[in-house]
Amino acid sequence: DTGVSQNPRHKITKRGQNVTFRCDPISEHNRLYWYRQTLGQGPEFLTYFQNEAQLEKSRLLSDRFSAERPKGSFSTLEIQRTEQGDSAMYLCASSLQAGTPLHFGNGTRLTVT
Amino acid sequence: DQQVKQNSPSLSVQEGRISILNCDYTNSMFDYFLWYKKYPAEGPTFLISISSIKDKNEDGRFTVFLNKSAKHLSLHIVPSQPGDSAVYFCAASNSGAGSYQLTFGKGTKLSVIP
Repeated sequence: DTGVSQNPRHKITKRGQNVTFRCDPISEHNRLYWYRQTLGQGPEFLTYFQNEAQLEKSRLLSDRFSAERPKGSFSTLEIQRTEQGDSAMYLCASSLQAGTPLHFGNGTRLTVT
Repeated sequence: DQQVKQNSPSLSVQEGRISILNCDYTNSMFDYFLWYKKYPAEGPTFLISISSIKDKNEDGRFTVFLNKSAKHLSLHIVPSQPGDSAVYFCAASNSGAGSYQLTFGKGTKLSVIP
Protein backbone atom coordinates (compact mmCIF):
# COMPACT_ATOMS: atom_id res chain seq x y z
CA ASP A 1 0.00 0.00 0.00
CA THR A 2 1.86 3.05 -1.25
CA GLY A 3 -0.93 5.49 -0.58
CA VAL A 4 -2.65 7.92 -2.91
CA SER A 5 -0.17 9.59 -5.25
CA GLN A 6 -0.74 12.98 -6.89
CA ASN A 7 1.30 14.72 -9.55
CA PRO A 8 2.52 17.34 -9.86
CA ARG A 9 2.87 18.58 -6.28
CA HIS A 10 2.96 22.19 -7.43
CA LYS A 11 1.82 23.92 -10.58
CA ILE A 12 2.19 27.59 -11.45
CA THR A 13 0.36 28.72 -14.55
CA LYS A 14 -0.74 31.91 -16.22
CA ARG A 15 -4.36 32.89 -16.40
CA GLY A 16 -6.05 31.40 -19.42
CA GLN A 17 -3.82 28.34 -19.67
CA ASN A 18 -5.03 24.75 -19.29
CA VAL A 19 -3.68 22.47 -16.59
CA THR A 20 -4.05 18.77 -15.88
CA PHE A 21 -3.45 16.92 -12.62
CA ARG A 22 -3.07 13.20 -12.11
CA CYS A 23 -4.13 10.99 -9.21
CA ASP A 24 -3.16 7.37 -8.65
CA PRO A 25 -5.40 5.88 -5.96
CA ILE A 26 -4.57 3.05 -3.62
CA SER A 27 -4.73 -0.11 -5.70
CA GLU A 28 -8.01 -2.00 -5.39
CA HIS A 29 -9.82 1.15 -4.20
CA ASN A 30 -12.73 1.50 -6.59
CA ARG A 31 -13.96 4.83 -5.22
CA LEU A 32 -12.10 8.00 -6.13
CA TYR A 33 -12.83 11.57 -5.11
CA TRP A 34 -11.52 15.01 -6.00
CA TYR A 35 -11.64 17.83 -3.47
CA ARG A 36 -10.45 21.44 -3.47
CA GLN A 37 -9.09 23.27 -0.45
CA THR A 38 -8.49 26.99 -0.15
CA LEU A 39 -6.75 28.84 2.67
CA GLY A 40 -8.63 28.69 5.96
CA GLN A 41 -11.24 26.29 4.66
CA GLY A 42 -11.80 22.58 4.86
CA PRO A 43 -11.66 20.46 1.70
CA GLU A 44 -14.69 20.89 -0.56
CA PHE A 45 -16.08 18.04 -2.65
CA LEU A 46 -15.74 18.32 -6.41
CA THR A 47 -16.53 14.95 -7.94
CA TYR A 48 -16.73 11.20 -7.32
CA PHE A 49 -15.99 8.11 -9.39
CA GLN A 50 -16.95 4.54 -8.77
CA ASN A 51 -14.64 2.52 -10.98
CA GLU A 52 -14.67 4.41 -14.31
CA ALA A 53 -18.11 5.97 -13.85
CA GLN A 54 -18.34 9.58 -12.72
CA LEU A 55 -21.40 9.38 -10.48
CA GLU A 56 -21.53 12.73 -8.78
CA LYS A 57 -20.39 16.30 -9.49
CA SER A 58 -20.53 19.31 -7.22
CA ARG A 59 -21.91 22.70 -8.25
CA LEU A 60 -18.32 23.89 -7.71
CA LEU A 61 -17.27 21.95 -10.80
CA SER A 62 -17.83 24.51 -13.53
CA ASP A 63 -17.82 23.71 -17.24
CA ARG A 64 -14.11 24.53 -17.33
CA PHE A 65 -13.38 21.51 -15.14
CA SER A 66 -13.39 17.95 -16.40
CA ALA A 67 -12.37 14.76 -14.67
CA GLU A 68 -11.83 11.32 -16.06
CA ARG A 69 -10.97 7.91 -14.76
CA PRO A 70 -10.32 5.66 -17.74
CA LYS A 71 -10.32 1.95 -16.93
CA GLY A 72 -11.14 2.70 -13.30
CA SER A 73 -7.53 3.18 -12.29
CA PHE A 74 -5.81 6.59 -12.23
CA SER A 75 -7.78 9.79 -12.65
CA THR A 76 -7.08 13.17 -14.23
CA LEU A 77 -8.56 16.55 -13.44
CA GLU A 78 -8.27 19.18 -16.16
CA ILE A 79 -8.98 22.87 -15.75
CA GLN A 80 -9.37 24.85 -18.96
CA ARG A 81 -8.85 28.60 -19.27
CA THR A 82 -7.64 28.90 -15.68
CA GLU A 83 -8.68 31.88 -13.59
CA GLN A 84 -7.02 33.33 -10.48
CA GLY A 85 -9.92 32.02 -8.41
CA ASP A 86 -8.85 28.48 -9.34
CA SER A 87 -5.75 28.85 -7.17
CA ALA A 88 -6.12 26.20 -4.48
CA MET A 89 -4.91 22.82 -3.27
CA TYR A 90 -6.50 20.02 -5.28
CA LEU A 91 -6.80 16.83 -3.27
CA CYS A 92 -7.53 13.34 -4.48
CA ALA A 93 -8.84 10.60 -2.20
CA SER A 94 -9.80 6.97 -2.58
CA SER A 95 -11.70 4.43 -0.55
CA LEU A 96 -12.15 0.70 -0.76
CA GLN A 97 -15.91 0.52 -0.45
CA ALA A 98 -18.94 2.36 0.85
CA GLY A 99 -18.70 3.35 4.48
CA THR A 100 -14.92 3.14 4.73
CA PRO A 101 -12.66 6.14 5.33
CA LEU A 102 -11.31 8.20 2.47
CA HIS A 103 -7.53 8.22 2.16
CA PHE A 104 -6.10 11.42 0.75
CA GLY A 105 -3.04 12.18 -1.30
CA ASN A 106 -0.73 15.12 -0.57
CA GLY A 107 -2.45 17.25 -3.17
CA THR A 108 -1.46 19.46 -6.08
CA ARG A 109 -1.07 23.13 -5.23
CA LEU A 110 -2.17 25.29 -8.16
CA THR A 111 -1.20 28.94 -8.41
CA VAL A 112 -2.72 30.96 -11.25
CA THR A 113 -0.89 34.23 -11.91
CA ASP B 1 -24.65 27.55 4.77
CA GLN B 2 -21.99 25.59 6.60
CA GLN B 3 -23.28 22.16 7.51
CA VAL B 4 -20.25 21.18 9.61
CA LYS B 5 -18.88 23.75 12.03
CA GLN B 6 -15.72 23.83 14.07
CA ASN B 7 -16.10 27.00 16.07
CA SER B 8 -12.63 27.05 17.60
CA PRO B 9 -9.99 27.98 15.03
CA SER B 10 -7.21 27.13 17.46
CA LEU B 11 -6.50 25.34 20.72
CA SER B 12 -3.38 25.20 22.90
CA VAL B 13 -2.84 22.38 25.37
CA GLN B 14 0.01 21.39 27.66
CA GLU B 15 1.77 18.13 26.86
CA GLY B 16 0.27 15.25 28.85
CA ARG B 17 -3.10 16.95 29.30
CA ILE B 18 -6.35 16.22 27.47
CA SER B 19 -7.17 17.92 24.15
CA ILE B 20 -10.86 18.26 23.33
CA LEU B 21 -11.83 19.32 19.83
CA ASN B 22 -15.47 20.06 19.10
CA CYS B 23 -17.65 19.87 16.02
CA ASP B 24 -21.31 20.67 15.35
CA TYR B 25 -23.40 19.72 12.36
CA THR B 26 -26.75 20.86 11.05
CA ASN B 27 -27.72 18.21 8.50
CA SER B 28 -29.75 15.51 10.27
CA MET B 29 -29.09 13.13 7.35
CA PHE B 30 -25.43 12.82 8.33
CA ASP B 31 -24.81 9.39 9.83
CA TYR B 32 -21.07 8.80 9.47
CA PHE B 33 -18.48 11.05 11.03
CA LEU B 34 -14.71 11.19 10.77
CA TRP B 35 -11.77 13.13 12.13
CA TYR B 36 -8.73 13.89 10.01
CA LYS B 37 -5.39 15.33 11.01
CA LYS B 38 -3.42 17.54 8.63
CA TYR B 39 0.20 18.61 8.75
CA PRO B 40 1.42 21.49 6.53
CA ALA B 41 2.11 20.51 2.92
CA GLU B 42 0.46 17.11 3.39
CA GLY B 43 -3.01 15.78 2.68
CA PRO B 44 -5.46 15.01 5.49
CA THR B 45 -4.76 11.76 7.33
CA PHE B 46 -7.64 9.67 8.62
CA LEU B 47 -7.70 9.44 12.41
CA ILE B 48 -10.92 7.90 13.68
CA SER B 49 -14.56 7.53 12.68
CA ILE B 50 -17.93 6.85 14.23
CA SER B 51 -21.24 5.68 12.87
CA SER B 52 -24.48 7.19 14.12
CA ILE B 53 -25.48 3.86 15.68
CA LYS B 54 -22.75 4.38 18.28
CA ASP B 55 -22.06 7.19 20.70
CA LYS B 56 -18.41 6.47 21.38
CA ASN B 57 -15.44 5.00 19.56
CA GLU B 58 -11.92 4.60 20.91
CA ASP B 59 -8.59 4.00 19.23
CA GLY B 60 -5.60 4.25 21.52
CA ARG B 61 -5.23 7.83 22.74
CA PHE B 62 -8.11 9.02 20.55
CA THR B 63 -11.79 8.85 21.46
CA VAL B 64 -14.68 10.29 19.49
CA PHE B 65 -18.00 11.01 21.17
CA LEU B 66 -21.24 11.54 19.25
CA ASN B 67 -24.34 13.25 20.66
CA LYS B 68 -26.98 12.88 17.97
CA SER B 69 -29.68 14.84 19.75
CA ALA B 70 -27.34 17.82 20.05
CA LYS B 71 -25.80 17.22 16.61
CA HIS B 72 -22.41 17.45 18.25
CA LEU B 73 -19.27 15.37 18.23
CA SER B 74 -15.96 15.74 19.95
CA LEU B 75 -12.49 14.27 19.70
CA HIS B 76 -10.54 13.63 22.89
CA ILE B 77 -6.80 13.09 22.80
CA VAL B 78 -5.29 11.75 26.02
CA PRO B 79 -2.49 12.28 26.77
CA SER B 80 -1.63 15.00 24.29
CA GLN B 81 1.84 14.85 22.72
CA PRO B 82 3.81 17.50 20.80
CA GLY B 83 3.49 15.37 17.65
CA ASP B 84 -0.27 15.84 17.84
CA SER B 85 0.20 19.50 16.86
CA ALA B 86 -1.67 19.80 13.56
CA VAL B 87 -4.93 21.01 12.06
CA TYR B 88 -7.84 18.70 12.87
CA PHE B 89 -10.82 18.49 10.54
CA CYS B 90 -14.21 17.10 11.40
CA ALA B 91 -16.07 15.54 8.46
CA ALA B 92 -19.53 14.05 7.97
CA SER B 93 -21.36 12.10 5.31
CA ASN B 94 -24.81 10.76 4.49
CA SER B 95 -24.66 7.06 3.67
CA GLY B 96 -28.01 7.33 1.92
CA ALA B 97 -26.45 9.55 -0.71
CA GLY B 98 -24.41 6.66 -2.05
CA SER B 99 -21.21 8.52 -2.75
CA TYR B 100 -20.20 8.88 0.91
CA GLN B 101 -18.76 12.25 -0.03
CA LEU B 102 -17.49 14.09 2.99
CA THR B 103 -18.48 17.56 4.16
CA PHE B 104 -15.68 19.12 6.17
CA GLY B 105 -15.48 21.78 8.85
CA LYS B 106 -12.91 24.57 8.61
CA GLY B 107 -10.55 22.88 11.02
CA THR B 108 -9.06 23.53 14.45
CA LYS B 109 -5.33 24.10 14.82
CA LEU B 110 -4.07 22.21 17.86
CA SER B 111 -0.80 23.23 19.47
CA VAL B 112 0.59 20.92 22.14
CA ILE B 113 3.12 22.75 24.25
CA PRO B 114 6.03 20.69 25.65
